[in-house]
Amino acid sequence: GQNIDQPTEMTATEGAIVQINCTYQTSGFNGLFWYQQHAGEAPTFLSYNVLDGLEEKGRFSSFLSRSKGYSYLLLKELQMKDSASYLCAVRGNTGGFKTIFGAGTRLFVKA
Amino acid sequence: SAVISQKPSRDICQRGTSLTIQCQVDSQVTMMFWYRQQPGQSLTLIATANQGSEATYESGFVIDKFPISRPNLTFSTLTVSNMSPEDSSIYLCSVEVGGADNEQFFGPGTRLTVL
Repeated sequence: GQNIDQPTEMTATEGAIVQINCTYQTSGFNGLFWYQQHAGEAPTFLSYNVLDGLEEKGRFSSFLSRSKGYSYLLLKELQMKDSASYLCAVRGNTGGFKTIFGAGTRLFVKA
Repeated sequence: SAVISQKPSRDICQRGTSLTIQCQVDSQVTMMFWYRQQPGQSLTLIATANQGSEATYESGFVIDKFPISRPNLTFSTLTVSNMSPEDSSIYLCSVEVGGADNEQFFGPGTRLTVL
């Protein structure tokens, strides 16, 4: 089976840096995703890691350690519009290539 | 990428009735998924619907309650049968289009309220 843990809520200040952690347990691993979801909207893709290390995309970076079952999403130069839920998701390779989502971390960015 | 539309966008239904949600994709995709998202919570996978085979349901979801059709590579339906207030949720269709990132695209969701 799969289990994904991430903090429920975080608060950060505009212009700052925030790191959202995710730990996972899975019987088969075929990648880890981060999605952003604004209230009332569908999730949108942020990043995908399948190998260990850091992937950087503009203000957002994502890190993966497969041996530790650990990932983080790093958001730099926070903006008010970054207030959203951030979903960690793991793609398995047993029983089909399905993606299971964590409960999400609700990020509040304050001025 | 993929553009996904869902019908209806929202509905209010009476207990005991059924609702069929349609999902249309603008390109042919093999893997299509149905998720449920209850207020303030994350997405729960209901089933995987691949064209040409029976849908695969996750633990806690059964075909009698959530029958799925997948007649071709661009379309799928999810029916919520014999509804109860506990079925009130947002139902999202999602597809994976392949590529290096295995990104999933989501439809806008169907907001269902059962009275």
